[in-house]
Amino acid sequence: DAGVIQSPRHEVTEMGQEVTLRCKPISGHNSLFWYRQTMMRGLELLIYFNNNVPIDDSGMPEDRFSAKMPNASFSTLKIQPSEPRDSAVYFCASSNLLNNEQFFGPGTRLTVL
Amino acid sequence: AQKVTQAQTEISVVEKEDVTLDCVYETRDTTYYLFWYKQPPSGELVFLIRRNSFDEQNEISGRYSWNFQKSTSSFNFTITASQVVDSAVYFCALNNNDMRFGAGTRLTVKP
Repeated sequence: DAGVIQSPRHEVTEMGQEVTLRCKPISGHNSLFWYRQTMMRGLELLIYFNNNVPIDDSGMPEDRFSAKMPNASFSTLKIQPSEPRDSAVYFCASSNLLNNEQFFGPGTRLTVL
Repeated sequence: AQKVTQAQTEISVVEKEDVTLDCVYETRDTTYYLFWYKQPPSGELVFLIRRNSFDEQNEISGRYSWNFQKSTSSFNFTITASQVVDSAVYFCALNNNDMRFGAGTRLTVKP
């Protein structure tokens, strides 16, 4: 079975550019989570969806960050405009119930120059 | 507020030694869920175990065992007879509709 799929795996961009990260959750999972991992702040939950509806976006750092889940099999995390401090690994995870184990994608390593 | 503390930043052991990774959590909720994840050098996050707050039974899976004690708000993880492949960062997490990860413990197992 395919796990959580994320693309791209690596992204290098220049400050001010728009960045879009993509995620395909495990089929049948109805909860989707976006995380950011940095050395300084560790793993942070940015936002999560349940049945395609955003439930809690309190972890989204700024208005430059936005996330959507137009259907059960696709979500995006967009940063516009990007800044060097956004450089991190962004993980997407999915689960079949909110409090069950989450299965993580391989992550997208974002570098903003 | 929910909080997870992994006081051990780094641990180094020699192969075949037993090692325990500590996890202490804080929550006001009576229903919650605890997790351990492994992040090997390749970077992916691998689920190891989930435990709910009403189940304090310890669990053993091969060389891995977990000790959940509500009285001390701890959920410790022991690796018996460690191997080089166990080298990774291990994260403890607390979830009640809001997953909080600890800072992680980097375990290095030397041959």
